[in-house]
Amino acid sequence: KNEVEQSPQNLTAQEGEFITINCSYSVGISALHWLQQHPGGGIVSLFMLSSGKKKHGRLIATINIQEKHSSLHITASHPRDSAVYICAVSRTNTGTASKLTFGTGTRLQVTL
Amino acid sequence: GAGVSQSPRYKVAKRGQDVALRCDPISGHVSLFWYQQALGQGPEFLTYFQNEAQLDKSGLPSDRFFAERPEGSVSTLKIQRTQQEDSAVYLCASSLAMIFDRALYAEQYFGPGTRLTVT
Repeated sequence: KNEVEQSPQNLTAQEGEFITINCSYSVGISALHWLQQHPGGGIVSLFMLSSGKKKHGRLIATINIQEKHSSLHITASHPRDSAVYICAVSRTNTGTASKLTFGTGTRLQVTL
Repeated sequence: GAGVSQSPRYKVAKRGQDVALRCDPISGHVSLFWYQQALGQGPEFLTYFQNEAQLDKSGLPSDRFFAERPEGSVSTLKIQRTQQEDSAVYLCASSLAMIFDRALYAEQYFGPGTRLTVT
């Protein structure tokens, strides 16, 4: 079982829809990251959070430490949101505190 | 721009060849990470530098993989005698934070990656 699990693996939505991507993890963490990867490989960090909720524009990230679960929400989705969204964690009790352990990603396609 | 850059962006190597992948981190960033991303998978940690010191190389898959950062800025990931299973995107990331014990974490900035194809 992977230490970081995401669901769904693939998601298709129509423009304007509210989108939720889920991430569960099974290890102790110091922080959880949501990343966006466009075709061609470039990865952009969207959020880094260790508790509560963060919002940036149409993106909202929440984390529940007790339940070891995080969600990424996209409001009023747009075709330019189409990308792979990756959840990653900085694990505690490792030699390199901030090396990331990644989920396999959620491929989102937003259509007109 | 001031982001992380990697070169080459694409590399095709014949099995058995040696390759060298370069990463230019953001100026002043102390921490540098290398990750390997196989097709359809999330990235996986390879190695970590704090300045010029390689503090963690636990993710390097074999002794054919070698990384260095001699002056604490540019880093090179070298793969000797490439095999087909080495085909992947190699990502470099840098961050400003130094790691003191386990107390400090910071956002990582990723480069565009080098797509390596071994034929």
